[in-house]
Amino acid sequence: ETGVTQSPTHLIKTRGQQVTLRCSSQSGHNTVSWYQQALGQGPQFIFQYYREEENGRGNFPPRFSGLQFPNYSSELNVNALELDDSALYLCASSLGGAGNTIYFGEGSWLTVV
Amino acid sequence: DQQVKQNSPSLSVQEGRISILNCDYTNSMFDYFLWYKKYPAEGPTFLISISSIKDKNEDGRFTVFLNKSAKHLSLHIVPSQPGDSAVYFCAALRSRAAGNKLTFGGGTRVLVKP
Repeated sequence: ETGVTQSPTHLIKTRGQQVTLRCSSQSGHNTVSWYQQALGQGPQFIFQYYREEENGRGNFPPRFSGLQFPNYSSELNVNALELDDSALYLCASSLGGAGNTIYFGEGSWLTVV
Repeated sequence: DQQVKQNSPSLSVQEGRISILNCDYTNSMFDYFLWYKKYPAEGPTFLISISSIKDKNEDGRFTVFLNKSAKHLSLHIVPSQPGDSAVYFCAALRSRAAGNKLTFGGGTRVLVKP
């Protein structure tokens, strides 16, 4: 139990649609990041939010966007879904920067058909 | 451009013996390294970490070794237990300012046989 909860746990979308994934970080954690894990691969960093501001982005196109709310919960939005977006999406939270333990949620499985 | 690599996709070990997982990295800017364990249908769980100013860190049955000149780290699990069967990921951070921007390897699936 990491205190990081994600919803929904599983969902199926059609190519071209939009999806919103949600993350509730551990209490007090002000840094949230999102990762995409394709089958058989390690997680890939999408972006990070610190106190409601994006402060780091990986190699993902602009159709991947996010938000962090005043209570530090977060959303990942993906527009114009493609088949290759099918993956496990992981949310991670921590208090501040590196050296502090980073806690992951159980992830949201997205299937694009 | 895979900056963190785990060249062994799988490892099988007998219960009670040592499990050694290896990880190589190419980016010399990485200065903090972590190991995560992942069970199916769960998120990665933090195991152990090491700063680049150290060459060894130990926590119970888990020890991580870092060889900066070789850009190589390894995780030793002694003794291995059936509950250790999982996928293990090596991850790296560029700096303390990087927050949660982890760069992961592809993972090694460990099977501990009773």
